[in-house]
Amino acid sequence: DAKTTQPPSMDCAEGRAANLPCNHSTISGNEYVYWYRQIHSQGPQYIIHGLKNNETNEMASLIITEDRKSSTLILPHATLRDTAVYYCIVRVAYQAGTALIFGKGTTLSVSS
Amino acid sequence: DAGVTQSPTHLIKTRGQQVTLRCSPKSGHDTVSWYQQALGQGPQFIFQYYEEEERQRGNFPDRFSGHQFPNYSSELNVNALLLGDSALYLCASSLNGGNTIYFGEGSWLTVV
Repeated sequence: DAKTTQPPSMDCAEGRAANLPCNHSTISGNEYVYWYRQIHSQGPQYIIHGLKNNETNEMASLIITEDRKSSTLILPHATLRDTAVYYCIVRVAYQAGTALIFGKGTTLSVSS
Repeated sequence: DAGVTQSPTHLIKTRGQQVTLRCSPKSGHDTVSWYQQALGQGPQFIFQYYEEEERQRGNFPDRFSGHQFPNYSSELNVNALLLGDSALYLCASSLNGGNTIYFGEGSWLTVV
């Protein structure tokens, strides 16, 4: 079962910041939060990941709440090419290996 | 630097047949995971390979099997194909103990 919940869809105007929320209230202390996006059934594209601290890279920022029960992905200046399905994922660590547990994702539509 | 590469890109099989899908991980990565993505759904974890052994498995029947070779490349085999096996099969690679995970573009399997 998915460990994350996301809104099914969101809209954003081109040039504005897109803020995508995610709830992961049952996350364990050693489980990372990952964000990927998928455009038209291509392979998922890695965006960013984090454990406790906020993270930033050339694509986006990840803000994780202090209790780690939710996070927000921020695309600072959305473009039309950012239209995609965005997945917030918890990486589960088992005894021997790990797995990314995907939910249903958020479809972000960026319009001009 | 080539990323994760998968072959074939598309294939069509008949019910009851067997299929083999192939994956070459990103250079330097030694861990390979396979995911199944049905149309309109998020990817689901099938299994993970490291050091040529399956070290974690998701909720998939024994018809799904895999192999990892000494050069870290991997195969996914599905026997006795069912119509419900029609999906995008994704390979993801990472470095054991590392946190960055990359996906390939996937192999589209259609079972008729």
